[in-house]
Amino acid sequence: QKEVEQDPGPLSVPEGAIVSLNCTYSNSAFQYFMWYRQYSRKGPELLMYTYSSGNKEDGRFTAQVDKSSKYISLFIRDSQPSDSATYLCAMQSGGSYIPTFGRGTSLIVHP
Amino acid sequence: DTAVSQTPKYLVTQMGNDKSIKCEQNLGHDTMYWYKQDSKKFLKIMFSYNNKELIINETVPNRFSPKSPDKAHLNLHINSLELGDSAVYFCASSLTSLSTDTQYFGPGTRLTVL
Repeated sequence: QKEVEQDPGPLSVPEGAIVSLNCTYSNSAFQYFMWYRQYSRKGPELLMYTYSSGNKEDGRFTAQVDKSSKYISLFIRDSQPSDSATYLCAMQSGGSYIPTFGRGTSLIVHP
Repeated sequence: DTAVSQTPKYLVTQMGNDKSIKCEQNLGHDTMYWYKQDSKKFLKIMFSYNNKELIINETVPNRFSPKSPDKAHLNLHINSLELGDSAVYFCASSLTSLSTDTQYFGPGTRLTVL
């Protein structure tokens, strides 16, 4: 079992839908949780960053961390075709320089 | 202005050859990284340099050798290329090596070993 599990998809939704992307993990030492967006043939870019448990909102994006269940989510409201990309979760323990990435979920938002 | 740039963008080469990938960042960051993304999209860190000093060296064959001539540059040299080295290699940088600092990724170098 990998340290971070993420369904590769693809997840196909109509424009305007609410999208839910998820990762589970096994290492209870993880404290920092990130979501990256990666467009085709481009490098990943950081979307959301959360420390420990709780919610964080930024525009149409909400990140949730449930450390008791070892489960993190990214919600996208009013999804747009421009949101079509691969979304990677990443996690890091305190004091570690090394992030552990999920394999990414491919999202397709069709008009 | 490109923040993190890599050259070349594509690299096709034969097994056994030696090749280099260059990375430059103009963000004034102290820390730079090399990542490998395989065909299944897993992104794994290979190396990290902070102020030209190696701080992360993950389980990577010693055919891979990073070199940081200055804070703004981190190059990756690969000897005796193998088929399994085919992947996309990303360079990234961050202000410092703290976990909380955002990493900015380059566009990637797609390496194909024939």
